[in-house]
Amino acid sequence: DGGITQSPKYLFRKEGQNVTLSCEQNLNHDAMYWYRQDPGQGLRLIYYSQIVNDFQKGDIAEGYSVSREKKESFPLTVTSAQKNPTAFYLCASKLDPGRDIQYFGAGTRLSVL
Amino acid sequence: GENVEQHPSTLSVQEGDSAVIKCTYSDSASNYFPWYKQELGKRPQLIIDIRSNVGEKKDQRIAVTLNKTAKHFSLHITETQPEDSAVYFCAASNGGGSYIPTFGRGTSLIVHP
Repeated sequence: DGGITQSPKYLFRKEGQNVTLSCEQNLNHDAMYWYRQDPGQGLRLIYYSQIVNDFQKGDIAEGYSVSREKKESFPLTVTSAQKNPTAFYLCASKLDPGRDIQYFGAGTRLSVL
Repeated sequence: GENVEQHPSTLSVQEGDSAVIKCTYSDSASNYFPWYKQELGKRPQLIIDIRSNVGEKKDQRIAVTLNKTAKHFSLHITETQPEDSAVYFCAASNGGGSYIPTFGRGTSLIVHP
């Protein structure tokens, strides 16, 4: 299970707290993505980044923030403004340009205490 | 933007039967259609994909068909086995440039021994 690593596997957030989910890849991929997965909802895009120091909002960016200071890393912060953060979060990466295949991390399950 | 509808949401079959999952898309510019398999608690993994310049692609027991005119594509699994039990996601994208796939909501396939 190398390539793209997410940590932690489980995370608990207290009310009013910001938490950060880590995503690291050693695939030398340019593009990275964050998705939120809820039962029956499929994968919904939170943020994506195609190059270092640049990122764009996805469909459900409110209450989340990201940074892309290094090619290998794309952390996601779930802020206190996100009122319903309980979900499974998946990070993905893709070589750009290249074959349109996304590689996913193993995910982080975030719950609210 | 693109909209992908996936049916059924749940599919239950007996071992050895065939399974078919269908997706429709709205954007005629979409030209790349991947299918991902996600086993319980694990990361999604690409199992097969198809581009708009072909109508069918096979890989052992798995096949995908595409009807560009009708804007729908389907995943076919023959001789199903219990290890095929998982959630399957379809996606559609305009490959190249900013690769932002739109995912279906997923189909939970249950194969009974």
